[in-house]
Amino acid sequence: DIQMTQSPSSLSASVGDRVTITCRASQGISNSLAWYQQKPGKAPKLLLYAASRLESGVPSRFSGSGSGTDYTLTISSLQPEDFATYYCQQYYSTLYTFGQGTKLEIK
Amino acid sequence: EVQLVESGGGLVKPGGSLRLSCAASGFTFSSYSMNWVRQAPGKGLEWVSSISSSSSYIYYADSVKGRFTISRDNAKNSLYLQMNSLRAEDTAVYYCARDRYSSSSGWFDPWGQGTLVTVSS
Repeated sequence: DIQMTQSPSSLSASVGDRVTITCRASQGISNSLAWYQQKPGKAPKLLLYAASRLESGVPSRFSGSGSGTDYTLTISSLQPEDFATYYCQQYYSTLYTFGQGTKLEIK
Repeated sequence: EVQLVESGGGLVKPGGSLRLSCAASGFTFSSYSMNWVRQAPGKGLEWVSSISSSSSYIYYADSVKGRFTISRDNAKNSLYLQMNSLRAEDTAVYYCARDRYSSSSGWFDPWGQGTLVTVSS
């Protein structure tokens, strides 16, 4: 199975900050990567797919990049509603796998 | 409105069985691959199983293979997960999630609200 490793596991930041979350795959996944946001008690919400394509309705402050095994999610200017847990997911293999999550907290 | 509603969760003893259901509405269910994803209390997301639109392709995580069975009834717009030989580590909220696109995309949207399965004696 392809292992997905996110870093950091948690992150403290302030409103207006630029933050970056990294996701590393155990093998190349050819941009077959999605990012989700999850708030407590809620289902995950799709943010990006194909590593850098923004899902409809998602604010443009969210962006994704990367290639091969290394990918990043960037939030350009944190808003209060962005404090949540973020997950990456690979779909290169049909045995899908998620990263362990990055909890973004208010500083 | 596209909607997924899970049901069937509850408390079950180790070694027991449970069948989860996911009722879909607002889209052509028979055109989409469907998935189950779970989340243990306070933990991250774990993909469990996927089934293609016509049930031709089915995949399971190693952690549930041989114990869980995914199925669907396109006439009833419903997805199922039969869970047998349940263990304490299967305790989780189970989400039903649709592939984003009917071309079997591999990323998921929307998701249901989840149903809690608790395995305990």
